[in-house]
Amino acid sequence: GAGVSQSPSNKVTEKGKDVELRCDPISGHTALYWYRQSLGQGLEFLIYFQGNSAPDKSGLPSDRFSAERTGGSVSTLTIQRTQQEDSAVYLCASSPPDGYNSPLHFGNGTRLTVT
Amino acid sequence: AQKITQTQPGMFVQEKEAVTLDCTYDTSDPSYGLFWYKQPSSGEMIFLIYQGSYDQQNATEGRYSLNFQKARKSANLVISASQLGDSAMYFCAMRGYNAGNNRKLIWGLGTSLAVNP
Repeated sequence: GAGVSQSPSNKVTEKGKDVELRCDPISGHTALYWYRQSLGQGLEFLIYFQGNSAPDKSGLPSDRFSAERTGGSVSTLTIQRTQQEDSAVYLCASSPPDGYNSPLHFGNGTRLTVT
Repeated sequence: AQKITQTQPGMFVQEKEAVTLDCTYDTSDPSYGLFWYKQPSSGEMIFLIYQGSYDQQNATEGRYSLNFQKARKSANLVISASQLGDSAMYFCAMRGYNAGNNRKLIWGLGTSLAVNP
């Protein structure tokens, strides 16, 4: 079946521009996560959506970052006025109705390069 | 507070030998799950194995097994008969459950495994 789909796979943008990253989770998965991973580093939590609950935004690094999830499915991560330190791979993951034994299924990520 | 610790930034193993990757955790949740993921150089995150806190037996999935010691709060990944394709980053993660709430997944910093021919 279809996995988690992220687009674009690569994005090069100029400093100061806005970017939108898209995540299409596995159908029926109610939990959706965004992570950021810099080169050679671990996963940095950004935001977590669980069903209709208010999202956990505690990982967003600044107010330039925002995310929404429409209709409990597709999610968009927006970075405004991009900076060079925003360059990283942005990973999206989803899981079934979010039991503590549910593994996350990851997309292939969007590699963002800010020049 | 919940925390995952992976103390080995890098590991080497000879092909066909077994290797253990360490993971310790801290949680006060009564129930929790532990996960291991593999991230090869291609960047994809691959789910390997899961261990529930109330599972009676250690989890196994093919060449992967989990040495779960609840009292010590450790969940080490054992890879048997290492293959060159096992060279990758390995991440340990945990999610807890408390009072009707599922917590978000938390992650260790990873261990880089290199398999030598």
